[in-house]
Amino acid sequence: DTAVSQTPKYLVTQMGNDKSIKCEQNLGHDTMYWYKQDSKKFLKIMFSYNNKELIINETVPNRFSPKSPDKAHLNLHINSLELGDSAVYFCASSLGHTIYFGEGSWLTVV
Amino acid sequence: GQNIDQPTEMTATEGAIVQINCTYQTSGFNGLFWYQQHAGEAPTFLSYNVLDGLEEKGRFSSFLSRSKGYSYLLLKELQMKDSASYLCAERTGGFKTIFGAGTRLFVKA
Repeated sequence: DTAVSQTPKYLVTQMGNDKSIKCEQNLGHDTMYWYKQDSKKFLKIMFSYNNKELIINETVPNRFSPKSPDKAHLNLHINSLELGDSAVYFCASSLGHTIYFGEGSWLTVV
Repeated sequence: GQNIDQPTEMTATEGAIVQINCTYQTSGFNGLFWYQQHAGEAPTFLSYNVLDGLEEKGRFSSFLSRSKGYSYLLLKELQMKDSASYLCAERTGGFKTIFGAGTRLFVKA
């Protein structure tokens, strides 16, 4: 009974490719997020959706495009991947103040 | 992470007590979290403080002083499995949660 699940867990791809990471939560939460954790371990918010509406959009290159088909899903599409995009991407959700994270997707761009 | 300061690493002995400090920017403050993250895993929720004082939850306690922009996480009776990163995070007025870089705690026998 995984609460926040994301796929794939590991992704190795070449520069210039386009890739997507999918996320689903079965907690009934209204708000979902994408966070990026880089090699220095900073966990930085990228996007947040509340009931399918974008509410937080940090300074993220427009190569990153989130899509929320319904409040239980928030997918992340990345165009023209660059070496600097290599990181762990965490999907998360919340109902009140507490954020629950998915297992993470390890993206390596070569 | 730039508004939140916490030590990069700490080492403590099994069975001991360790205190991990965190300072944060006070403007727009809406709450202070502590999360635990084991290597290669997702962060998991430990505590949330919105009022001043100490909140105890088993071996872990969290303290908040809003006027000082200061919090600490206290871990008692340390176990080897407590070796992990501990992330201090601030919930701001925009309902955004900003994470610090984390403190890597090494528990030695």
